Amino acid sequence: DAGVIQSPRHEVTEMGQEVTLRCKPISGHNSLFWYRQTMMRGLELLIYFNNNVPIDDSGMPEDRFSAKMPNASFSTLKIQPSEPRDSAVYFCASSHVNTEAFFGQGTRLTVV
Amino acid sequence: DQQVKQNSPSLSVQEGRISILNCDYTNSMFDYFLWYKKYPAEGPTFLISISSIKDKNEDGRFTVFLNKSAKHLSLHIVPSQPGDSAVYFCAASSDRNEKLTFGTGTRLTIIP
Repeated sequence: DAGVIQSPRHEVTEMGQEVTLRCKPISGHNSLFWYRQTMMRGLELLIYFNNNVPIDDSGMPEDRFSAKMPNASFSTLKIQPSEPRDSAVYFCASSHVNTEAFFGQGTRLTVV
Repeated sequence: DQQVKQNSPSLSVQEGRISILNCDYTNSMFDYFLWYKKYPAEGPTFLISISSIKDKNEDGRFTVFLNKSAKHLSLHIVPSQPGDSAVYFCAASSDRNEKLTFGTGTRLTIIP
C-alpha cells in the first residue's frame, strides 16, 4: 500500500479564495482524521470520521471549514473563504481498529 | 486547554548517550499513549505505544515509561544516534482507535 496520500503537497492562495485539500486513506482503514499543525498549537485534531460518518468535528475552527467523506477511499477538507491565519500544514491520517494512525505527508497551505 | 504537555521544546544529546523526552497529561480518561517521530516535510510516523495497564514498553532502543499516578510518561532512546534527530510528539487517547490528542512536540538533536 502507498500509505495515506494527500494532495496537493503545497498550496499558495490569496485571501478570500476557496481551498480544497484531498486525502486518500489506506485501503481497509475505517477511521480518518484531519489534523492541523502550527508552531503555536502543535498538532490539533480538526475532525474525524468513522466508517465515513463524522464523529467529532469540535476541532473545526469555524464555519469557513468543512469536511466530507463521500466514500471509504476519499475525503476533502475545504476552507471558504481562506484567511492568512489558516496558513499551516494540514495532515490527514487513517487507522483501523487494530492499528495506530498512519499519517500522510501533509499539505502546506499558505494564504497571502 | 492543553491536555497533553511537552514542556521542553528542544533537547540536545551527545551521540551514544541516553535521550529522555518527557510528557505530562491532565485528562484521567486517557488510557492509551503513543510517541510519534516527525522529520521535516514528512508526516508523523508511529514509534511506540503503551496502554495504561502497563508501566513500561520496550522496542529495541526505545522504551516508554508510564506513571499513571503522576500522569507522566517518558520516552528513552539509548544509545542515541544521529538519525534520531527529529521532532517527537507525545499523544494520548481514551481508546486505541479513537482520536489522538497531541503535545506540541520536542525537537531532539543528536550531536555527533
